[in-house]
Amino acid sequence: AQSVTQLDSQVPVFEEAPVELRCNYSSSVSVYLFWYVQYPNQGLQLLLKYLSGSTLVKGINGFEAEFNKSQTSFHLRKPSVHISDTAEYFCAVNRFAGGGNKLTFGTGTQLKVEL
Amino acid sequence: NAGVTQTPKFQVLKTGQSMTLQCAQDMNHNSMYWYRQDPGMGLRLIYYSASEGTTDKGEVPNGYNVSRLNKREFSLRLESAAPSQTSVYFCASSESPRQGGTGANVLTFGAGSRLTVL
Repeated sequence: AQSVTQLDSQVPVFEEAPVELRCNYSSSVSVYLFWYVQYPNQGLQLLLKYLSGSTLVKGINGFEAEFNKSQTSFHLRKPSVHISDTAEYFCAVNRFAGGGNKLTFGTGTQLKVEL
Repeated sequence: NAGVTQTPKFQVLKTGQSMTLQCAQDMNHNSMYWYRQDPGMGLRLIYYSASEGTTDKGEVPNGYNVSRLNKREFSLRLESAAPSQTSVYFCASSESPRQGGTGANVLTFGAGSRLTVL
């Protein structure tokens, strides 16, 4: 079985400050890792993904994440946040099952950027 | 580019009523999914369809049925709604591994359907 833990349910931060949203996973097999963002009253959209290769992954809107296999982590970072980054962020891990994808999501981290 | 379209966006039901959530995608994806989102619980997979003609249970299938009508459409039915099914429902689609490329791992989500069961 696999699971995803997002350690912080809410993260308040001031505009232009750096932020890190934490994600740890557990899985007995190799996984693919994702961060999705959900703006208010919208569906989820992909921020970035790690499938293989370089452990530092860059995504949209200036976000990046680093895959750390030894610590089973995939933390999301941004060096300087903007008010428009206020949203809920979900970490997810994927495994193939029966030819399809079965994403397991974390419980989400609400990022609130304040002026 | 419509992507994934869900209807209705909002619905209020009484306990015991039935309803169907509709989902359609125009990206030629093989795989489609239904998730529910509840506060503090993230998204949980209800059912998925790896390809046309197949459906499988996810993490929380009880109380739901699905139909993969064709490659584009995947509907979710509540036969006898219960207050515990009050939630926001998301449909998603993706390429399957058979379609090749790294797109097989990326889900495209609809805007969601907010369901309240009284």
